[in-house]
Amino acid sequence: DQQVKQNSPSLSVQEGRISILNCDYTNSMFDYFLWYKKYPAEGPTFLISISSIKDKNEDGRFTVFLNKSAKHLSLHIVPSQPGDSAVYFCAASPTGNQFYFGTGTSLTVIP
Amino acid sequence: DTGVSQDPRHKITKRGQNVTFRCDPISEHNRLYWYRQTLGQGPEFLTYFQNEAQLEKSRLLSDRFSAERPKGSFSTLEIQRTEQGDSAMYLCASSLAWDRVDGYTFGSGTRLTVV
Repeated sequence: DQQVKQNSPSLSVQEGRISILNCDYTNSMFDYFLWYKKYPAEGPTFLISISSIKDKNEDGRFTVFLNKSAKHLSLHIVPSQPGDSAVYFCAASPTGNQFYFGTGTSLTVIP
Repeated sequence: DTGVSQDPRHKITKRGQNVTFRCDPISEHNRLYWYRQTLGQGPEFLTYFQNEAQLEKSRLLSDRFSAERPKGSFSTLEIQRTEQGDSAMYLCASSLAWDRVDGYTFGSGTRLTVV
């Protein structure tokens, strides 16, 4: 039972343009959300978080948007850079302890 | 601060053997988590410690799996009588508290292959 879904397995974007990665969840009890980036042979690296009391959080080129009514989360990367090419996972939790991860979206930024 | 360290990076074992993995969290982090990731999937939660107390265990953690954090510092994850289905990347993460914006910090993982 996949409670967190990333329906796009892959995404290609030109350098300098916006990358939008999407994530849907089913559990209305989820209050904490994270985005991670993963390079091959490495563990996931934390990118940005948001809690359900907010609908937007921004950190440099990365912005996460949360639409609680739609149970939808998105990550915007502006401008996209070749070094952003990686697999991106969204994760959600009701408590901030046990997180449920999506299956990931592989982002390729084309120079 | 060298981040979260996991050892070994890779382990190949024969079916039926026991294996043990070690995780050294970031020193000031009191929370430690184990996840498992199989090919094409996101990480799946296994268990969580606050200091030395094991507070949550997933149903994925069968009787063959045991995790310890004896002094509230490093942790070990043991799998007994390994099966081919245990082949996965085992990830450890640590954190100080949820309300820090940096969330969890993951290690690079231990890749287990059961042959």
